[in-house]
Amino acid sequence: QSVLTQPPSVSGAPGQRVTISCTGSSSNIGAGYDVHWYQQLPGTAPKLLIYGNSNRPSGVPDRFSGSKSGTSASLAITGLQAEDEADYYCQSYDSSLSGCVFGTGTKVTVL
Amino acid sequence: QLQLQESGPGLVKPSETLSLTCTVSGGSISSSSYYWGWIRQPPGKGLEWIGSIYYSGSTYYNPSLKSRVTISVDTSKNQFSLKLSSVTAADTAVYYCARLEAARFFDYWGQGTLVTVSS
Repeated sequence: QSVLTQPPSVSGAPGQRVTISCTGSSSNIGAGYDVHWYQQLPGTAPKLLIYGNSNRPSGVPDRFSGSKSGTSASLAITGLQAEDEADYYCQSYDSSLSGCVFGTGTKVTVL
Repeated sequence: QLQLQESGPGLVKPSETLSLTCTVSGGSISSSSYYWGWIRQPPGKGLEWIGSIYYSGSTYYNPSLKSRVTISVDTSKNQFSLKLSSVTAADTAVYYCARLEAARFFDYWGQGTLVTVSS
């Protein structure tokens, strides 16, 4: 029962920019809790992509960026590459559930 | 480099208890900066947080699973474990263990282990 809503899929041609939204509520993103993003390549474990709304771990290309506003957050991928084809998940904390919550997930397809 | 490895049976019968262990190497599970967690992913579906534990034994669980979940830690073995009781086919999933940085985000993940619930 995901409380963070993402579009099921987004697509773009190589080199284009795509964005993925993550919509929450007043008990999670809107309450000021940070949003984090993960990339899951086919058949592998999720990998931390963005933490604390907009910070990239070492080794993550600067093509990936994150932002947060109000009850929503976004992940942007610029200069889309074939290797970016994966599932992406947002994650935050929810005070009503007193725990971590994940988004519904978005599949990115490179055309 | 920190590594996490899940281990346990890949097949569990309905109504029985699923038991998994996560072994942490390359770092101490007793570090004060981190929690440790379990996340699962049913085939073809999204991620679901199961629960998390601090090295002291303090836990917090997903309310939807709380009545069936127990997470424990063994600092002497640098391991933490998951028990999920009264399993059904709906509990069939890849189970991941992960490190939770400052109780905020998961920065290191195990490779995951598929647990199938079937008679």
